[in-house]
Amino acid sequence: SQTIHQWPATLVQPVGSPLSLECTVEGTSNPNLYWYRQAAGRGLQLLFYSVGIGQISSEVPQNLSASRPQDRQFILSSKKLLLSDSGFYLCAWSVYYGYTFGSGTRLTVV
Amino acid sequence: GQQVMQIPQYQHVQEGEDFTTYCNSSTTLSNIQWYKQRPGGHPVFLIQLVKSGEVKKQKRLTFQFGEAKKNSSLHITATQTTDVGTYFCASLPGAGSYQLTFGKGTKLSVIP
Repeated sequence: SQTIHQWPATLVQPVGSPLSLECTVEGTSNPNLYWYRQAAGRGLQLLFYSVGIGQISSEVPQNLSASRPQDRQFILSSKKLLLSDSGFYLCAWSVYYGYTFGSGTRLTVV
Repeated sequence: GQQVMQIPQYQHVQEGEDFTTYCNSSTTLSNIQWYKQRPGGHPVFLIQLVKSGEVKKQKRLTFQFGEAKKNSSLHITATQTTDVGTYFCASLPGAGSYQLTFGKGTKLSVIP
């Protein structure tokens, strides 16, 4: 069966520090991968999506970046975090329809 | 991407009462998906509707897609405390697209 792993579950980082969140998928090949952000009590905002290795599409201009070094690995990064980067970051994958989300990372920038 | 408006933002119901959340768009939707997010958890896919006027049921949950494919609803009959969470509708702009756009969700509270 397909599973999605996302870590860490929680993270507290100072302003200006770098960020690296990793997501891996098991049990499927060539999935579409996504990074979403959810601000407290609000909806989900699509940040990046990838349809293949090295292929990244950005939805929102910001100080975040994404990479897909392997078929089932998706990484979200930042060189310098801002206070406004705080939120709940969710990785997801899809093959046909119906997105499967990871358990998410709660990031607090202090 | 397409904008989907979801109402109400919050709903408090007594256990056993029914609950409905609505999703509306000013443009025709190619499909509509529904997700549930439990408090502190991640969204979980419930269902996808594609056809005009489509109605699907999952136990006490009934999902409808409007005839004009511009609106959708999720109805829960006789709510239970396990129904607590935020329900999101979401839509893809079209076949072969990837930008799933979510509504802001309806947060359901069930009073036991």
